[in-house]
Amino acid sequence: EVQLVESGGGFVLPGGSLRLSCAASGFTFSVYSMNWVRQAPGKGLEWVSYITSDINTIYYADSVEGRFTITRDNVEGSVFLQMHSLRDEDTAVYYCARSTEGKLDYWGQGTLVTVS
Amino acid sequence: ELILTQSPGTLSLSPGERATLSCRASQSVSSYYLGWYQQKPGQAPRLLMNGASTRATGIPDRFSGSGSGTDFSLTISRLEPEDFAVYYCQHFGFSLSKFTFGPGTKVEIK
Repeated sequence: EVQLVESGGGFVLPGGSLRLSCAASGFTFSVYSMNWVRQAPGKGLEWVSYITSDINTIYYADSVEGRFTITRDNVEGSVFLQMHSLRDEDTAVYYCARSTEGKLDYWGQGTLVTVS
Repeated sequence: ELILTQSPGTLSLSPGERATLSCRASQSVSSYYLGWYQQKPGQAPRLLMNGASTRATGIPDRFSGSGSGTDFSLTISRLEPEDFAVYYCQHFGFSLSKFTFGPGTKVEIK
C-alpha cells in the first residue's frame, strides 16, 4: 500500500524557517517524481514544488521561488521542503504527492504550517 | 501563464441526479496532462481522472471525463451521497514547468 506521511509542520513567526518531511513507503520511491502542494485555510489547491526521481529537474511556483528548497533522499525514501522567509500567506496545509506523467496519483494527509 | 477556470463555483443537486462540471483553460493544453481530483472535508485530494478521460484506479464508472483543447468536463452520471465534495481540474505543463489547478467546483446536496 502506498503511504506518504508528512511531518514538521507547526507555528512559526513571520520571517522564520521550517523544514517539512514526507516519508514514503509501499512503492519504489527512487523512480518517482515527488511534489509539495499546499492549501490555505478554506481555499483551493496550490502546487508548490516538484523534483524528479534523479533530482536533475526541480520546479517551484513563483510564489515560493527563492525561499523554498525541495530535496529528496532516495535511500531513506523521503522528500523534504525547506522553507525560509515565511510569510502570513504561506499558512496552509502542506501535502506531499507522488507524480507520474503529470498526474498526482497519491497524496499524504498533510501537515499544517501556521505563520503568525 | 496558464489559467484554469472551473464552473459553476457551486453545484446544488440531489442524490441520483447528474452532475456536469466544466474546466476551461486560458490556452490550448494537452488532454494527456489534464486531471481531475476530488476532495472531501478534512481529507487529502484524490485523483479521479487522468488524461482527461481515464479513470484512476478504483474510481467507479459513474465518473467520466471528456474534452480537448481548452474545454474539459467531468460528469457524474448519478450522484451518490459520497460524491458530494469539491472537484479540481489540474494540468501539468512541461513548457511552463509547473502544475496548475483550477479553483474548484463544490458539489453540494440540494
